[in-house]
Amino acid sequence: QSVLTQPPSVSGAPGQRVTISCTGSSSNIGAGYDVHWYQQLPGTAPKLLIYGNSNRPSGVPDRFSGSKSGTSASLAITGLQAEDEADYYCQSYDSSLSAPVFGGGTKLTVL
Amino acid sequence: EVQLVESGGGLVQPGRSLRLSCAASGFTFDDYAMHWVRQAPGKGLEWVSGISWNSGSIGYADSVKGRFTISRDNAKNSLYLQMNSLRAEDTALYYCAKDIGSSGWYSNWFDPWGQGTLVTVSS
Repeated sequence: QSVLTQPPSVSGAPGQRVTISCTGSSSNIGAGYDVHWYQQLPGTAPKLLIYGNSNRPSGVPDRFSGSKSGTSASLAITGLQAEDEADYYCQSYDSSLSAPVFGGGTKLTVL
Repeated sequence: EVQLVESGGGLVQPGRSLRLSCAASGFTFDDYAMHWVRQAPGKGLEWVSGISWNSGSIGYADSVKGRFTISRDNAKNSLYLQMNSLRAEDTALYYCAKDIGSSGWYSNWFDPWGQGTLVTVSS
């Protein structure tokens, strides 16, 4: 099992809002390490979606937003579109492992 | 445009070795730390190893420590992963990824990623 816990799947209809949680512990998110999010479209490499908890790289629509509080972080997607159907991963750093760590991934299905 | 192109994957028997390469272009390679991240078939992402800009700082996941060795050749803009004593559980798509900093990847992220090279360990 992954150090960071994500729901295996979420779904929503086009236009709706969904959130994906990423739960860690006192040795990673709770220790103050930043959380980053990646989107992996089917058959492609992961792509940076959110960095430093809530920052969007150039080119990422403002429909995507991130937040962090305590030992958890969240990715919110508003105005769902069919093209958002993908796997989403959170990433942070764990001081006990001395390593970057990923969540197990969440598959987003657009109904 | 930043490009990362992995190579060297293939089918290998358990216990054997394989060396992966990642050719980088479009950025000043020796300004950045680099990483290997893998993804087993149908599974999530797992950080494998990272190396600072000058090879002065190196880290490994516990699952590969003692078996894998990361290295880089800044003159050739290349990153490598020497994989020894391979196991079936090492079967995965191996991605090369650029760090946003030069070392100490405590709060850093990976951008961009290559397309990956597939390693299959099977007899």
